[in-house]
Order: sequence, then structure tokens, then C-alpha cells
Amino acid sequence: KAGVTQTPRYLIKTRGQQVTLSCSPISGHRSVSWYQQTPGQGLQFLFEYFSETQRNKGNFPGRFSGRQFSNSRSEMNVSTLELGDSALYLCASSERTSGGYYNEQFFGPGTRLTVL
Amino acid sequence: DQQVKQNSPSLSVQEGRISILNCDYTNSMFDYFLWYKKYPAEGPTFLISISSIKDKNEDGRFTVFLNKSAKHLSLHIVPSQPGDSAVYFCAASGRNAGNMLTFGGGTRLMVKP
Repeated sequence: KAGVTQTPRYLIKTRGQQVTLSCSPISGHRSVSWYQQTPGQGLQFLFEYFSETQRNKGNFPGRFSGRQFSNSRSEMNVSTLELGDSALYLCASSERTSGGYYNEQFFGPGTRLTVL
Repeated sequence: DQQVKQNSPSLSVQEGRISILNCDYTNSMFDYFLWYKKYPAEGPTFLISISSIKDKNEDGRFTVFLNKSAKHLSLHIVPSQPGDSAVYFCAASGRNAGNMLTFGGGTRLMVKP
């Protein structure tokens, strides 16, 4: 099976712009989660999508949003970029049983966003 | 408020010896724990997990131990190999949190030949 893919791998934007990142999960995985990794804050959960619905949300401002499509692919959007949004954005996919039990999450290579 | 802590930012071990990476947590609602390995410029790679109903789980050279009363888990790598050199993250999740993982700050493991 192909792993989790993320596009683009690298992105440079300026303050005030918006950005959209894309994630394709492992085939058959219906849950997609997004994480932000920064040197100061480490790996932090942004949100999780399952069956096109946001299931959980981390402690991030409303400028961070996402969505999931019927084929489980997901996008996240950051509007009005700030310098502090520079980070590695990671997408992870997993199976999710109907009982809601969690499984191992498999991560993509990430998108490195630099905000100038 | 760090709910998952890895108090050792780095660890150096000789090839062939045991590597022990530690992780502490504070949230009693956590009941599922995972270890990931991360190389620079790559996403974390899943290594091993453990549910709170167990106190030990093994997979090849990797063993995770969970001490619920102490809210402590550890990852043992035996024998350590130079290719194991990476940053190791422990992560935790609770049943009510779905797939939301809370990560520790990571421990950089260096295995010397």
C-alpha cells in the first residue's frame, strides 16, 4: 500500500496570505488528523476528520481550518498567515472502527511552511 | 501544561547495548500509548503501541512497558543499532479524544558504533 502523501512538500508564503495543504491517506483509512510541529511547541494536534466531519479540534485559532472529501483526502487551510505559523505540518491517517476505538496513526512526510 | 513529558532531551548508547527511553504523563484519561521514531525532514514512523489493559508489549527489538500507577512508560531497544539514531516521541490518547494524540517533546537517541 502506498503511504500517506502530502503536497506540496515545501511552501514559502508572506504574512497575510493564505495557504492550502493537501493530504491523501493510506487506501482504506478513513480518519485523517493534522499536526503542527515547531521547535518551541513540539508536535501539536490541529484537528481530525472522519467521514467528512471534524471529530476533534485542538487549541488553535479559527484561522486554521480543514475539510475532508468523500474519498477521505483532506485539506487544511490557514488564512491570514503569521510569522509564527512557520512550521512542519503533518498529516496522519488511520483506520477508525465503528466503535470509535483508535488505531495506530501513520504519518506523511509533512509540508514545510515558511512565512516571511 | 505538558500532559506528556520526555525529560531526557538526548541519550547516547553504544551499539549492541540497551537503549531505554522514558515518558511520563499526567492525564488519567490516557489509556493508549504509542512510540514514534522521527528522522529529520520526514514524518514520524510508528514503532509500537500499548493499551492500558497491558503492562508490556513486544515487537522484535522493541518493548514498551507501562506502569499505570506511576503514569510512566518506557521504550526498550535491544540490541541498539546505529540505524536507530533518531528522535523518539511518545504519544498518548484517551478514549474520549478519538484519534487526537498528545506528544511528548522527544528524546534524541544516538547509537555509537
